[in-house]
Amino acid sequence: NAGVTQTPKFRILKIGQSMTLQCAQDMNHNYMYWYRQDPGMGLKLIYYSVGAGITDKGEVPNGYNVSRSTTEDFPLRLELAAPSQTSVYFCASSYPPGSYNEQFFGPGTRLTVL
Amino acid sequence: AQRVTQPEKLLSVFKGAPVELKCNYSYSGSPELFWYVQYSRQRLQLLLRHISRESIKGFTADLNKGETSFHLKKPFAQEEDSAMYYCALAGGSSNTGKLIFGQGTTLQVKP
Repeated sequence: NAGVTQTPKFRILKIGQSMTLQCAQDMNHNYMYWYRQDPGMGLKLIYYSVGAGITDKGEVPNGYNVSRSTTEDFPLRLELAAPSQTSVYFCASSYPPGSYNEQFFGPGTRLTVL
Repeated sequence: AQRVTQPEKLLSVFKGAPVELKCNYSYSGSPELFWYVQYSRQRLQLLLRHISRESIKGFTADLNKGETSFHLKKPFAQEEDSAMYYCALAGGSSNTGKLIFGQGTTLQVKP
């Protein structure tokens, strides 16, 4: 199993450009998450999904959109890139949460907006 | 408000010294707490969860509800323990699995 995969690994965007960060998992997990990691700030939840067709906002959703048409894929869309969106983005997935919940993370996408 | 605080950005110790990475939380219900670790050039991965009361790679963490803490400890640090460590709280009123992460602590183990 590849686990959680993310593409691209790196990207540089100009202000105002748009892009989609891809995330896929092959573990048949219903739950998927997008986080951003900023130095000294930890990971902040952007959006999450509890199954195909169901998404919801996390702590920092402004400037992002998501969709979940299949169990496997959970793309994150940036419509009008801003310098504040320079960050490392992590996708994660899990089985339905419980006391033994574990989230499996992708390798991350490092995005720079200039 | 639900919150996780890791007061130290960087913890530097010598090999063989004891290690304690601090984590405090704020949560009104029964917390579910985790430690995640990110080694250099590797993915973020689960280290341990409080419910299991387990020891992984020599690390342990005890939930202290009175002090609202979940500190990570290891009696003798090894160089391979050098990594970024995140404390996380499973929050949210519904069963969504959302995690609230602390700011992270970089552990540097010197030879």
